[in-house]
Amino acid sequence: EVQVVESGGGLVQPGRSLRLSCAVSGFTFDDYALTWVRQAPGKGLEWVGFIRDKAHGGTAGYAASVKGRFFISTDDSKNIAYLQMNSLKTEDTAFYYCTRPRGYDYDGVPYWYFDLWGRGTLVTVSS
Amino acid sequence: EIVMTQSPATLSVSPGETAALSCRASQSVSSNLAWYQQKPGQAPRLLIYSASTRATGIPARFSGSGSGTEFTLTINSLRSEDFAVYYCQQYKNWPPTFGQGTKVEIK
Repeated sequence: EVQVVESGGGLVQPGRSLRLSCAVSGFTFDDYALTWVRQAPGKGLEWVGFIRDKAHGGTAGYAASVKGRFFISTDDSKNIAYLQMNSLKTEDTAFYYCTRPRGYDYDGVPYWYFDLWGRGTLVTVSS
Repeated sequence: EIVMTQSPATLSVSPGETAALSCRASQSVSSNLAWYQQKPGQAPRLLIYSASTRATGIPARFSGSGSGTEFTLTINSLRSEDFAVYYCQQYKNWPPTFGQGTKVEIK
């Protein structure tokens, strides 16, 4: 079955760190970028960051709201992507979804929609 | 970044009727527009991309139209499983941005 499965969410205090995982199955991990999208409870969707596949440089990009605090990496041997979240703030409280982007790249800029989503994992930042 | 505005916030429709959801972009996104459906407690599901192309497995009662700054998602003959929140997303400019959603509820 083609799927992505997130894990690692939980309750964490402001200023602390948390690492989320996204396990990929049913498609070739090396062939796709992966992105993270979050949704605060009862709110809309916000793109968080992406990591490109190795063939496209394996580079990562981040939303301004998390840049310098969040980092995405992969373990290709395990088909897992990670979202390392540091210096967490209360406003980072959200469901975090791992998604597979589709679309195209032009001049190094991705033009992506998201055709596969995981069920999400909830991160609650509170003292 | 491009701001996506959806209207109405809530749409009350009877089963079997047609729902028309609007999405407006703050600047042209050409046809780089996707629609998603989200049911309570579930992840969003891709319905439409490139403004009018149905994703794999999406029923024909879902259709998308528009280009530039004005887009519409039309759901014909609404079924019980179609009552959900719908989001539009532009991918013409980076970063990708989403509308705030339209909730389709049973009238």
